[in-house]
Amino acid sequence: GAVVSQHPSWVICKSGTSVKIECRSLDFQATTMFWYRQFPKQSLMLMATSNEGSKATYEQGVEKDKFLINHASLTLSTLTVTSAHPEDSSFYICSARSLQGLKGQYFGPGTRLTVT
Amino acid sequence: GENVEQHPSTLSVQEGDSAVIKCTYSDSASNYFPWYKQELGKRPQLIIDIRSNVGEKKDQRIAVTLNKTAKHFSLHITETQPEDSAVYFCAASESTGGGNKLTFGTGTQLKVEL
Repeated sequence: GAVVSQHPSWVICKSGTSVKIECRSLDFQATTMFWYRQFPKQSLMLMATSNEGSKATYEQGVEKDKFLINHASLTLSTLTVTSAHPEDSSFYICSARSLQGLKGQYFGPGTRLTVT
Repeated sequence: GENVEQHPSTLSVQEGDSAVIKCTYSDSASNYFPWYKQELGKRPQLIIDIRSNVGEKKDQRIAVTLNKTAKHFSLHITETQPEDSAVYFCAASESTGGGNKLTFGTGTQLKVEL
């Protein structure tokens, strides 16, 4: 149990375009999902906390108009990188917190975004 | 906000030796401390966690100790094997269930040499 999936696993896009990344909890309901960004050989940096049915809470320094987060259901959160630039190229990972009492956070496999 | 420091950044040990990774945190309200193992290009995987009402926890070759007074916690891996080679991250959270946001350390690249 406690499986989290992400789609796509990797994506290449051109500068100026938008990219949507999906995070799904497959076998549990997630009241809260978290979006992280990880640069090569660096740690995971929390971008935002996504709560089902409400607006996401963004960490300091993260542009909410650039990184749009939608948590429309208890099993799906999406991150849209708008007007992507090469510096947005990174590994994006989501995690989900269970509603049913499973403890801890469960991470998705990540999405490698490359902006050309 | 919480700040987590982790040392060393790289650690190389011989197979069979022990490895120790140390972390310190700043927020006394933190009470949940998980450790994650991440292989290249893959998701972080929880390997062990400890809550603030416990000083030590062990799971086979892996153990974690917590000193709340000093605000530091450590990961101990005994009898290391090549498959232990990975990046290890410590983290801290205010939620004992780990459901609140995690603040990660900077990571330790562990290499177990034959």
